[in-house]
Amino acid sequence: EVQLVESGGGLIQPGGSLRLSCAASGFTVSTNYMSWVRQAPGKGLEWVSIIYSGGNTYYADSVKGRFTISRDNSKNALYLQMNSLRAEDTAVYYCARDVIGSKGLFHYWGQGTLVTVSS
Amino acid sequence: DIVMTQSPDSLAVSLGERATINCKSSQSVLYSSNNKNYLAWYQQKPGQPPNLLIYWASTRESGVPDRFSGSGSGTDFTLTISSLQAEDVAVYYCQQYYSTPPTFGPGTKVDIK
Repeated sequence: EVQLVESGGGLIQPGGSLRLSCAASGFTVSTNYMSWVRQAPGKGLEWVSIIYSGGNTYYADSVKGRFTISRDNSKNALYLQMNSLRAEDTAVYYCARDVIGSKGLFHYWGQGTLVTVSS
Repeated sequence: DIVMTQSPDSLAVSLGERATINCKSSQSVLYSSNNKNYLAWYQQKPGQPPNLLIYWASTRESGVPDRFSGSGSGTDFTLTISSLQAEDVAVYYCQQYYSTPPTFGPGTKVDIK
């Protein structure tokens, strides 16, 4: 059974850093396209970043240069390093696994972790 | 970036009645080489992550009840719930995966009348 469990969220001051983790089970992270998608409180869904099985990474313009997606094959985990955080980064962050062979089509989702950027 | 719009913002439908949600993309999401529309629909219930309902515009994900159907091509798409059930109360999002970044519509909230 595919499972995704996010962790690492919390309250952080503007300008601070946070690293989110996504522990995967039931499949191999390194052979799949994996994404982070966020949802501000009461708002819609916004794609944040993707890492391809080959290792290429892409980012939304809103986070480019501040966020870094990565994975640890030995731990079968996905990460999102978030630096220079802003109030507008406040959201629930979901990790998601794409449908095999279809990048950007999100098949499995975690339950999410809440990041609150506030002083 | 491809901009996705949805209408209406919300709707209330009686139990057993039909609910129809429209989605429009700012450019075609039909890939001519395989004649597939790179358009998906998700359902999100309060406090839960989104759940993939339909992809390729009209293919139901495994386990999704057949009262859910998707149609359309190019830039105009529709999600239809043929007979609304209480458990269908949720927000529904369309999403294009034709190009990066993948983008979502703003969502349509479906309630019981």
